[in-house]
Amino acid sequence: QVQLVQSGAEVKKPGSSVKVSCKASGGTFSSYTMNWVRQAPGQGLEWMGGIIPIFGPANYAQKFQGRVTITADKSTNTAYMELSSLRSEDTAVYYCARSVSVFGSGTPMGSYFDFWGQGTLVSVSS
Amino acid sequence: DIQMTQSPSSLSASVGDRVTITCRASQSISTYLNWYQQRPGKAPKLLIYTASTLQSGVPSRFSGSGSGTDFSLTISSLQPEDFATYYCQQSYNTLIFTFGPGTKVDFK
Repeated sequence: QVQLVQSGAEVKKPGSSVKVSCKASGGTFSSYTMNWVRQAPGQGLEWMGGIIPIFGPANYAQKFQGRVTITADKSTNTAYMELSSLRSEDTAVYYCARSVSVFGSGTPMGSYFDFWGQGTLVSVSS
Repeated sequence: DIQMTQSPSSLSASVGDRVTITCRASQSISTYLNWYQQRPGKAPKLLIYTASTLQSGVPSRFSGSGSGTDFSLTISSLQPEDFATYYCQQSYNTLIFTFGPGTKVDFK
């Protein structure tokens, strides 16, 4: 069974950076996409970006371009999300989630997020 | 980017009720649509993928339908553990995933 275990809660000052880790076990890490999704208090889910470890560079949502960096270490089966220039609006729970591609008769039919980490609360406050 | 909307934003229901939530995409996404359930304080859980395929282990009272721009999630007989928030997600553009704003199902 796949498990994604994230690093612990963080408290950060505005303008600083945070790096959250997500360690995978029980599956093949390198060939799946690892995504990061955040959820501000009382709000919905927001996809930030994702990376396929064997292919390298990550893909990012336009909103976070230039401020987020997603990386993966194949040797430790760990994905990372670093968010810089933090502001109070970045206070949220950050989740990692594995996505799996679906194929029908060899034709791609989309992807879905089948395993999620437990979430990491990042609080930004002066 | 593909935008997702859901209706209603919230609903009140009773145990045993039949509940339907709708999701609309800003452009056709074929059946590249997933549904997730999120209970308070927990990570989302996949219920349905490719619009109508039930994820392994999910009760059969959950069902999904639709294609193109209009989709629905139906719970045939609401159970106490189903009171949660439900999100749709498009995967038509696998470079940019988008979630709907969510539908909260609570006790009437």
